[in-house]
Amino acid sequence: DADVTQTPRNRITKTGKRIMLECSQTKGHDRMYWYRQDPGLGLRLIYYSFDVKDINKGEISDGYSVSRQAQAKFSLSLESAIPNQTALYFCATSDSSRDQGYTFGSGTRLTVV
Amino acid sequence: GESVGLHLPTLSVQEGDNSIINCAYSNSASDYFIWYKQESGKGPQFIIDIRSNMDKRQGQRVTVLLNKTVKHLSLQIAATQPGDSAVYFCAESLSGSARQLTFGSGTQLTVLP
Repeated sequence: DADVTQTPRNRITKTGKRIMLECSQTKGHDRMYWYRQDPGLGLRLIYYSFDVKDINKGEISDGYSVSRQAQAKFSLSLESAIPNQTALYFCATSDSSRDQGYTFGSGTRLTVV
Repeated sequence: GESVGLHLPTLSVQEGDNSIINCAYSNSASDYFIWYKQESGKGPQFIIDIRSNMDKRQGQRVTVLLNKTVKHLSLQIAATQPGDSAVYFCAESLSGSARQLTFGSGTQLTVLP
């Protein structure tokens, strides 16, 4: 099983719909992140959480919200989806006790029509 | 080479040749750097990292070089194989920033038969 699991892998939704992307991890990491990837723009941080009671906005948080339901679960919601939110979304985790990089999930490809 | 921008640089190499992928990072105070590999349809995977107290670090078939004077990072892949075809991007982080990573936009490496 993957260390960081994202569901769904692909989703097509209509403008104005609410959608939730889910992320769960088995690595025991305390920190979790949501990134968005657009062609040619690299990874941009949407939200991050350092523990269950800690939620922080990233550089592009407008139009998104998150919930850290447990240490292992971090979900991203689009309250009212719009076409320019069509992108590849990645969840990542890290361990604050180890000075290393992130572990990424396989991504969710979201298309808003 | 790679930089934070709107285009995705490309590099094509013959199978068996060595590849060099470059990255210009943005923050002179960054002290930790990572190279990630992203294959089509997958999440980014950690390749190798280096800290600012080092100039060079070697892994299996990969070497990372760090030139802090000109804020330049490079990834060398020896004897490039078809499975090395992917997007490669660097990430930097700053001690004291809770180790948040800032990602470059990536370089597309294509290995020619």
